[in-house]
Amino acid sequence: AQSVTQLDSQVPVFEEAPVELRCNYSSSVSVYLFWYVQYPNQGLQLLLKYLSGSTLVKGINGFEAEFNKSQTSFHLRKPSVHISDTAEYFCAVTRTLTGGGNKLTFGTGTQLKVEL
Amino acid sequence: NAGVTQTPKFQVLKTGQSMTLQCAQDMNHEYMSWYRQDPGMGLRLIHYSVGAGITDQGEVPNGYNVSRSTTEDFPLRLLSAAPSQTSVYFCASTYREGEGETQYFGPGTRLLVL
Repeated sequence: AQSVTQLDSQVPVFEEAPVELRCNYSSSVSVYLFWYVQYPNQGLQLLLKYLSGSTLVKGINGFEAEFNKSQTSFHLRKPSVHISDTAEYFCAVTRTLTGGGNKLTFGTGTQLKVEL
Repeated sequence: NAGVTQTPKFQVLKTGQSMTLQCAQDMNHEYMSWYRQDPGMGLRLIHYSVGAGITDQGEVPNGYNVSRSTTEDFPLRLLSAAPSQTSVYFCASTYREGEGETQYFGPGTRLLVL
């Protein structure tokens, strides 16, 4: 079984400052990794995903994440945040074998609050 | 495409009542899933389906039933609602692309059980 740990439940940051949201995972097999964003009272929207290839993945809204297999991490970064980035961010993992897309395992989420 | 749609958006039930949460997708995805979201716990998988006529249990299946008679629809039934089922429910469908899969989520149903 796999698990996901999001180390920070809340991250306050000033507008235009850089931000990093941390995600570590545990799995005995190869995995795919995802970041989703949830704006207030809305569903989840895919930000970016790592399936294979380059370990630096670029997503929507200027976000990027780097897959580090040795540290089992998939941290999300943005060099300059905007007030509209205020939302909850979820890291998720699924196994690469046997079409594991139905069994996404989510972290508990990180609330990003951007302040003026 | 409308993507993944869910109805109702909000629902209040009394303990012991039953109801069905509807989920539909128009992307011809084979895989569909139901999750519940609770504060501080992220999303947890309730049930999933790999195609019409095939369903299986996820992490927290107790108190819920599903069926998949068509590719498009994947309803979630609460047989006898309990306050512990107060949550936000998300339906998702999975797009398979090469070696990877991506799940697309509906807008959610907010359920309150009194």
